[in-house]
Amino acid sequence: QQQVKQSPQSLIVQKGGISIINCAYENTAFDYFPWYQQFPGKGPALLIAIRPDVSEKKEGRFTISFNKSAKQFSLHIMDSQPGDSATYFCAARGIFGNEKLTFGTGTRLTIIP
Amino acid sequence: GAGVSQTPSNKVTEKGKYVELRCDPISGHTALYWYRQSLGQGPEFLIYFQGTGAADDSGLPNDRFFAVRPEGSVSTLKIQRTERGDSAVYLCASSLTLLPPTDTQYFGPGTRLTVL
Repeated sequence: QQQVKQSPQSLIVQKGGISIINCAYENTAFDYFPWYQQFPGKGPALLIAIRPDVSEKKEGRFTISFNKSAKQFSLHIMDSQPGDSATYFCAARGIFGNEKLTFGTGTRLTIIP
Repeated sequence: GAGVSQTPSNKVTEKGKYVELRCDPISGHTALYWYRQSLGQGPEFLIYFQGTGAADDSGLPNDRFFAVRPEGSVSTLKIQRTERGDSAVYLCASSLTLLPPTDTQYFGPGTRLTVL
């Protein structure tokens, strides 16, 4: 049962453009929504995260938009750079007692010059 | 250490063999997680330790998989009678768990297991 659905599977964006990756979840017990960035041969690294009590969180060029009623959240990368080329995973985690992360299937992002 | 370390980085074994994968968490982190990542997929949860005890092992696919963390630090994931379908990258993560659920999980580089 896939509890976190992620799209698109792959994305090509021109340098300087905006990259947008979308996720939807089913389990209303999820209470924490991180995004992870993974480079080839490396483990995932936390990029930015949000709790459902806010609708948006911004850190530098990275913004999470969160729609609790629709059970959807998205990652926006502004002024995308070639160094942003990586695979991005959205994830969700429940409240205390349910600490495991449930990941989406990933989006391979390529930034072209 | 600076981060989560995993050994070996690569492991090739034959079908039916036994393997052990090791994880060294960040010093002081009480929580330790194992995930499995198949090619082109997101990591899938296997087991979570809080200290020495397995708090949640609901992700272990079957009884061929077992994990231990005897002293609350290093953990070993053990796979018996390996099958070709076990081929994947096995990721370990650790966290402080001071304030779940926002506590960050820090991932190691993974062990790539190939079962021939």
